[in-house]
Amino acid sequence: AQKITQTQPGMFVQEKEAVTLDCTYDTSDQSYGLFWYKQPSSGEMIFLIYQGSYDEQNATEGRYSLNFQKARKSANLVISASQLGDSAMYFCAMREGNTGGFKTIFGAGTRLFVKA
Amino acid sequence: KAGVTQTPRYLIKTRGQQVTLSCSPISGHRSVSWYQQTPGQGLQFLFEYFSETQRNKGNFPGRFSGRQFSNSRSEMNVSTLELGDSALYLCASSLEGRQGTDTQYFGPGTRLTVL
Repeated sequence: AQKITQTQPGMFVQEKEAVTLDCTYDTSDQSYGLFWYKQPSSGEMIFLIYQGSYDEQNATEGRYSLNFQKARKSANLVISASQLGDSAMYFCAMREGNTGGFKTIFGAGTRLFVKA
Repeated sequence: KAGVTQTPRYLIKTRGQQVTLSCSPISGHRSVSWYQQTPGQGLQFLFEYFSETQRNKGNFPGRFSGRQFSNSRSEMNVSTLELGDSALYLCASSLEGRQGTDTQYFGPGTRLTVL
């Protein structure tokens, strides 16, 4: 069965330092998409970064980069130069399916605390 | 371009009642999905609609239903509400949904409280 595992319920990082949030996934599909979302206390899910299963290069979006290791089925999020506004829940997600229907499954999330 | 909008933002209902939540996707997006988020179960997939057809459904009882209109707006309905239905209901839209790699963009959610 498809599964997303985030093993870090909570993480602390000092402002301006880099932090890595772990994510491993399990799927038998060859084509899938991996995503990271940020959820502040307001509740809205904010898209951060995407990695396709066939992409050979790691995705980057500003201060966010995704360390994609396909053989290990891991898709870790790296946030560089942490800011106080980065304090939030972070969810790793996998979207898979076919033209008959798609679904996205989410990990349990990691709560990141950025210290001043 | 306007983002995904959801109405209402907050709802309080009592057990046994029914509720309808609405979602307007980003203009041009044809796929709409719904998710339930609770502290105990996390984020769970409810269903996905594309071109007015339900393409996929999560593992929820039949009390949960939805539909999509020709303008891609979607509604979900929960009948005979139970206390356990209290949750944040999130709607997400994506461009076409033909590929699993389409990025989904989420609305602000509807927070439902069942008393």
